Parts: sequence; C-alpha cells; structure tokens
Amino acid sequence: QKEVEQDPGPLSVPEGAIVSLNCTYSNSAFQYFMWYRQYSRKGPELLMYTYSSGNKEDGRFTAQVDKSSKYISLFIRDSQPSDSATYLCAGQGGKLIFGQGTELSVKP
Amino acid sequence: KAGVTQTPRYLIKTRGQQVTLSCSPISGHRSVSWYQQTPGQGLQFLFEYFSETQRNKGNFPGRFSGRQFSNSRSEMNVSTLELGDSALYLCASSLAGLGNQPQHFGDGTRLSIL
Repeated sequence: QKEVEQDPGPLSVPEGAIVSLNCTYSNSAFQYFMWYRQYSRKGPELLMYTYSSGNKEDGRFTAQVDKSSKYISLFIRDSQPSDSATYLCAGQGGKLIFGQGTELSVKP
Repeated sequence: KAGVTQTPRYLIKTRGQQVTLSCSPISGHRSVSWYQQTPGQGLQFLFEYFSETQRNKGNFPGRFSGRQFSNSRSEMNVSTLELGDSALYLCASSLAGLGNQPQHFGDGTRLSIL
C-alpha cells in the first residue's frame, strides 16, 4: 500500500466550477501536509502547507485536513483555465511523500 | 529572491555512463533534497542534505549519490546509468529541512538515457 494515495484523474471541469481534489494517507508519522501545483515542464509549486486538522484558506484555494480519517483535500473555487495543471498532495514526517498527482483541466 | 536553480535543464546520456546534476538552493536555505519523477512511479524521494551531511535517504540503489557544499549548493551523481534512470530529477530546498519546513522546488533536470 502506498503511503499517500491520490486519484490520478484526469479531471475535466468547466470554467467557474468548484474543484475537489482528495488524498488519503496511511503514515501516522506525517505531521505536515502540502499541496503542490505542477505545470508541464516545470517543477512543483507550493500552494498550501498545513499542520493541524481543519481548514486553511488562501484566496480561491482551501486545504482541508482530517487526521482522524487520514484524509486531505484541496478545494478550488471559481476555477480558471490557468488552474489546468497536475496537483500533488504530500505528507511530511522526516521524508516528503507524494501522491501520484491529479491532472486537472479547466475548460473555457 | 531567486528560486532554486538546477543545471543543466536537459541531458542525454547512454547506458553505462555517469552523470552529475547541480542544484543551487534559495539563498539562506540550508537543506537540499533530491527527487526522481517518472510517469509510472511519480515523485520519489532520493535523499536530503543539511549542512553538508546526508540526513535522510530514500529507497534507491547506491548508484545514486549526492553531496552538499559549504555554500549549501548540492550535486547528485548517478553512476552506471540504466534505461530506467530516464526521469525528471528535481531538487528542493528549505530553511531547516524536512522536519517542519516547506520544500521549494526547482524546474528540474530532464535526463534521457539512450
């Protein structure tokens, strides 16, 4: 079993939709959780960085962590074509372990 | 503030050769980590260096090695290259390491093995 599981998609939504991206994890040693966005031919870009259970909001992005069920989510409101990218979740506890990434396409 | 810089951006090698990749971290960052990204396996942790010492290591063979210099710049070396080593190699830096600091990535070196 992988330490971080993420549905690879691809996920296609119309512009303006609310996008929900989800991951589960199995390693109880993870203390920090991150969401990265990766455009083609670029490195991952840090979007959100959270520690405790609950929600963290930054503009159109909301990260949610539920440590009791080992579930992390990223919500994107009012999605834009420029949000089209691969989204990677990750857990950190000594090492940074990534999910497979979800490919998102936002259609105009 | 300059980001993480990786050189070269692209590299083509043949089986059996060796290669050295370079990473310059964000100014002030002392931790450098290396990752391999492939379509099949995704992003996998190779190792982390902090203050010139390897602090963490992933599950890769000994052909993969690295080092960090006193100015925090890091190099990764892969010896006896195999076709399966074709991948995007990413470097990430952080202030203090993988314990409680977010990692910031460069754009990677794309290595192709013929």
